[in-house]
Amino acid sequence: DAGVIQSPRHEVTEMGQEVTLRCKPISGHNSLFWYRQTMMRGLELLIYFNNNVPIDDSGMPEDRFSAKMPNASFSTLKIQPSEPRDSAVYFCASSLTGGARNTEAFFGQGTRLTVV
Amino acid sequence: EDKVVQSPLSLVVHEGDTVTLNCSYEVTNFRSLLWYKQEKKAPTFLFMLTSSGIEKKSGRLSSILDKKELFSILNITATQTGDSAVYLCAVVGNYGQNFVFGPGTRLSVLP
Repeated sequence: DAGVIQSPRHEVTEMGQEVTLRCKPISGHNSLFWYRQTMMRGLELLIYFNNNVPIDDSGMPEDRFSAKMPNASFSTLKIQPSEPRDSAVYFCASSLTGGARNTEAFFGQGTRLTVV
Repeated sequence: EDKVVQSPLSLVVHEGDTVTLNCSYEVTNFRSLLWYKQEKKAPTFLFMLTSSGIEKKSGRLSSILDKKELFSILNITATQTGDSAVYLCAVVGNYGQNFVFGPGTRLSVLP
C-alpha cells in the first residue's frame, strides 16, 4: 500500500479564496483523522470519521471549515473563505479500529497551506 | 475532555546522554498510548502501549506505561544527533476511534 496520500503537498492562496485539501486513507482502514499543526498550537485534532461517518468535529475551529468523507477511500477538508491564520500544515491520518483491533494512526505527508 | 500533557516541552542534551520524556493523560475509555517521532515531515510511529508495566524496546529507545498513575515515559539512551526531533505522545480512547496528541517534546541532541 502507498500509505496515506494527501494532495496538494503545498498550497498558497489569497485570503478569501476557497481551499480544498484531499486525502486517500490506507485501504482497509476504517478511521480517518484530520489534524492541523502549527508551532504555537502543536498537533490539533480537527475531526475524525469512523466508517465514513463524522464522529467528533468539536475541533473544527469555525464554520469556515468543513469536512466530508463520501466513501471509504476519500475525504476532503474545505476552508471557505480562507484567512491568513489558517496557515498551517494539515495532516490526514488513518487507522484500523474496532473490537480488539486497534492499529496506530498512519500519517500522510501533510499539506502545507499558506494564506496570504 | 481527553487531555495529554508532555514534559519537558523542550530539551537540549549532548550526544551520549540519556533522556527521559514524560507523558501524562486523561482519557475516556482508554485503549492505548502511542509514541511518535516527528522530524521535518509527518509523525512516524515508535511504540504502542496497552498494558501497564510491560516495557517496549527498540534499539536505544524504550517505553513503559503506568495505567494506574496515567503516565508513560520514553527513554532514549546514548543519544545521537539523529535523535533530534519532536516526540509526540498520543492516547486512544472512546473505543479506539479517537487519537489525541500531546504538545510534544522538542529534543535537540548536540554533537
